[in-house]
Amino acid sequence: GQNIDQPTEMTATEGAIVQINCTYQTSGFNGLFWYQQHAGEAPTFLSYNVLDGLEEKGRFSSFLSRSKGYSYLLLKELQMKDSASYLCAVSDSNYQLIWGAGTKLIIKP
Amino acid sequence: DTGVSQDPRHKITKRGQNVTFRCDPISEHNRLYWYRQTLGQGPEFLTYFQNEAQLEKSRLLSDRFSAERPKGSFSTLEIQRTEQGDSAMYLCASSLMGTGEDEQFFGPGTRLTVL
Repeated sequence: GQNIDQPTEMTATEGAIVQINCTYQTSGFNGLFWYQQHAGEAPTFLSYNVLDGLEEKGRFSSFLSRSKGYSYLLLKELQMKDSASYLCAVSDSNYQLIWGAGTKLIIKP
Repeated sequence: DTGVSQDPRHKITKRGQNVTFRCDPISEHNRLYWYRQTLGQGPEFLTYFQNEAQLEKSRLLSDRFSAERPKGSFSTLEIQRTEQGDSAMYLCASSLMGTGEDEQFFGPGTRLTVL
């Protein structure tokens, strides 16, 4: 079967760094996406990885290891507005997105 | 604004009634997806279109659900004989080609409450 695992909830302090992990088992792999979703709103695109390594985009970075079926999203210099759910999604052999349940990130002052 | 739009944003209905939702994708996008999302869960795939062709429908989707994209532009999702378990956020997304790094752009969603 296809499976995406990520922690249900994480808490971090404003200004700090947090790493959100995602492990996956899917039929085929055409890349991994991270999306941010604020409560009551639609998901918005953050990053895409298809090759191993780190992709940096401002305060956010995403890492991929295809051999380990593993990715993480790194958020630096956390701000209160980063409080949201972070969704990991894998594009499978048919370019369908298989979604994780999301990690709710709580930022404390 | 040329993003994905959905209508209505909220729908309250009684069990057994039929409901229809509309999605207008980004105009040049070929792929259109429908998802359902409940609290604390990721989006659950329902179906998708490549232009006007419905290419896949989730095996979890009952026969009460049907979707159309008659001219390859907007799409409708109909739920017949609604049940309380249908209460969820229904999200529509579109993408340009559906390949590789082709990100999906989401609409604001339609929140359905079945009483």
